[in-house]
Amino acid sequence: DAKTTQPTSMDCAEGRAANLPCNHSTISGNEYVYWYRQIHSQGPQYIIHGLKNNETNEMASLIITEDRKSSTLILPHATLRDTAVYYCIVRGNFGNEKLTFGTGTRLTIIP
Amino acid sequence: EAGVAQSPRYKIIEKRQSVAFWCNPISGHATLYWYQQILGQGPKLLIQFQNNGVVDDSQLPKDRFSAERLKGVDSTLKIQPAKLEDSAVYLCASSPTGGRVETQYFGPGTRLLVL
Repeated sequence: DAKTTQPTSMDCAEGRAANLPCNHSTISGNEYVYWYRQIHSQGPQYIIHGLKNNETNEMASLIITEDRKSSTLILPHATLRDTAVYYCIVRGNFGNEKLTFGTGTRLTIIP
Repeated sequence: EAGVAQSPRYKIIEKRQSVAFWCNPISGHATLYWYQQILGQGPKLLIQFQNNGVVDDSQLPKDRFSAERLKGVDSTLKIQPAKLEDSAVYLCASSPTGGRVETQYFGPGTRLLVL
């Protein structure tokens, strides 16, 4: 079973920041938070991951609360191409531990 | 760099028929994964190979599903006989090593419809 809870769907205006929340209240100390997204008719695509510090890359920023029980993925300037299902996944960062996807958040960018 | 290739992209069969899917991973990637994604759900791992050996097949319905990765490169996933509930997208992914989640690259998937 997925260890995360995400809203089923969200809308965001084009050009605005999209903030996608994720709850992972049972996360353990050695587990990371990963974000993937899946654009329609494509396979999932890795976005970003973090342990406890905030992270930023060319695609997005990840804000993890101090108690690590929740996080927010931020797409700073959303475009229509960001319309996708976004998955928040909790996983240890070692060995061959599998990726367990939940149902994700369907983000729709509105022109 | 070429991505993960899968074929066919679409397949329609009747229940109790057999079907096979093919995956060609990114060159040099040691680890290959097959996922099943039912409509409205996230992908579920069916089987993971490290080179030509099986690492995890705990969620593979072995009475009807089989997979092989001969020579540690290409892989095939077979369903025999198919059931209605097998209708799904079958995704193949590969990574250079088995541990780093962020290096899993997914193919476009094969969409299977069982009638």
